[in-house]
Amino acid sequence: NAGVTQTPKFRVLKTGQSMTLLCAQDMNHEYMYWYRQDPGMGLRLIHYSVGEGTTAKGEVPDGYNVSRLKKQNFLLGLESAAPSQTSVYFCASSAWVTSTDTQYFGPGTRLTVL
Amino acid sequence: KNEVEQSPQNLTAQEGEFITINCSYSVGISALHWLQQHPGGGIVSLFMLSSGKKKHGRLIATINIQEKHSSLHITASHPRDSAVYICAVELRTSGSRLTFGEGTQLTVNP
Repeated sequence: NAGVTQTPKFRVLKTGQSMTLLCAQDMNHEYMYWYRQDPGMGLRLIHYSVGEGTTAKGEVPDGYNVSRLKKQNFLLGLESAAPSQTSVYFCASSAWVTSTDTQYFGPGTRLTVL
Repeated sequence: KNEVEQSPQNLTAQEGEFITINCSYSVGISALHWLQQHPGGGIVSLFMLSSGKKKHGRLIATINIQEKHSSLHITASHPRDSAVYICAVELRTSGSRLTFGEGTQLTVNP
């Protein structure tokens, strides 16, 4: 199993450009999450999904959109990138049985917006 | 004030030392997670616990729900333990979502 994968690993954008980050998991997990990590701050939740076709806002959702059309994929979109969105983005997934399980993280995407 | 506070922020130890990293939280939780972030950036889950103590190899995690406090211990530390250790909590009101501490940078020197 590949676990959680993210593409791309690195990207440089100019202000105003758009892009989509792809997260894929092969563990049949119901829950998926997008986080951003900035220096001196803990990981912060952008958006999450509790199942195929569902999405919800996290702590810092402004400037981002997400879609979960297939259970195994969770896409994070930036419609008009801003320098404040320079960050490392992590995707994670977890199962739900009777309660939440360990979260499994992808390798991260380092995004720079100039 | 953050809902999750870790201490210390930075820790340097000599190989073989016993290490303790602390995590305090201010709200009711359903579970607490300890994660490790490698120098290359990858994040792996070490423990998820809601009470008592868990042990895996040289790593031990404890939680005291009444005191809202958890500790991560590393026995016989090794340079390969050098990483950022992150505490995160599942708030009772937030379902599966995690709230993270800022992390503790651990460096173990040979």
